[in-house]
Parts: sequence; C-alpha cells; structure tokens
Amino acid sequence: NAGVTQTPKFQVLKTGQSMTLQCAQDMNHEYMSWYRQDPGMGLRLIHYSVGAGITDQGEVPNGYNVSRSTTEDFPLRLLSAAPSQTSVYFCASSENQADGYTFGSGTRLTVV
Amino acid sequence: RKEVEQDPGPFNVPEGATVAFNCTYSNSASQSFFWYRQDCRKEPKLLMSVYSSGNEDGRFTAQLNRASQYISLLIRDSKLSDSATYLCAVKSDYKLSFGAGTTVTVRA
Repeated sequence: NAGVTQTPKFQVLKTGQSMTLQCAQDMNHEYMSWYRQDPGMGLRLIHYSVGAGITDQGEVPNGYNVSRSTTEDFPLRLLSAAPSQTSVYFCASSENQADGYTFGSGTRLTVV
Repeated sequence: RKEVEQDPGPFNVPEGATVAFNCTYSNSASQSFFWYRQDCRKEPKLLMSVYSSGNEDGRFTAQLNRASQYISLLIRDSKLSDSATYLCAVKSDYKLSFGAGTTVTVRA
C-alpha cells in the first residue's frame, strides 16, 4: 500500500495565483485532514473530513477550500496565494475516531 | 489558551539517560491521545497511543492523567536515534490537535 500520497512535493507560487494540493489515500480511511506546519507554531488544522461529501473547518481555514467527492481523495485549494501561506502542508488520514492519523510526506509551498 | 501545550525543550541528554516530558490539554472531553515523532523535514509518525492505564512500547512509556489533563512520555536508555521532535496529539470529536513539539537531542 502507498498510504497517504501528496503531490507536488515542492511548489513555488506567485502572490495571487491559485493551485490545488493533491492528497490521496489507499487505506479506505474515512477521516482525512489537512495541516500546515510553520516554525514555532506546530501543526495547525486547516480543514477536515469525516467521510465522502462531508467537510468542516479547522483552526486556520481562511484562504483554503476543500472537497471530498470520494473516500480516497481530499484536495486542498489555495484560492489566491499570499506570502503568509508559505508553509509545509501535510495531509493525514485515519480509519476511525479512536486511531491516530497517518501522514503524507508533505508539500513545501513558497509564495513569493 | 492553546488546546495542547508542550515544553519545547530542548532536552539534551547523554546516551543511556532517561528523559521525560509532559504535555497538557485544555479540552476535558478529549477522547484519544497520542505521541508522534517528527524528524527534521519529515512527516510526523505515530509513536504510540496513550491509554488511561498507561502503556509501554519497548523503551517508551506513556501516561495519561485525565484529572490533571496531561500526558507524558518517558524514554529509557536513550539512543542517538531517539533524537527528534516529539509531538503530543489530542483528539476531540473528529479533530486531532497537536502541541508544538518537544525537541530531544541525544549526544554520544
């Protein structure tokens, strides 16, 4: 199994551009989440999903959209990139509410 | 107040030493608790779940104190390979919240 796959691994955007970070898992996990990690700030939850068709906001949702049309995929869209969105983005999934999350290897995004 | 708070360290210990650190959480309704390990520029990896009765996994021991709302991690007989950042995580409803991490460096 591939686990949680994130693409791209690295991306540079110009301010105002939009893009989609891809996340796919092959473990049939219902729960998926997006986090961003900044130095000294730890992991902060952006959006999460408890199943196909169900998403909700986390701690820092502004500037990001998500959708969950299938169990496997949970893309994160940056609507109009800003330098403050320069960060490392992690996607994660979990089989159920009691389990911890399995993380993808991350996307390093720089907005110039 | 942050949902999960950790002592950032760093803890700098010699090989073979025991090191322990705590994490506090604010939501008394939290349901599940975990310790993750994160190496530099890598993704977090689940180290162990934390149960109310306490649990061990080799040299690692985790404890949960629901009354005082903290969890702890103890590493015995530290190895150089234990050098990493350790993140505590607390699950409430469907959301997993993380502390900022405790950095541990094991020196030869």
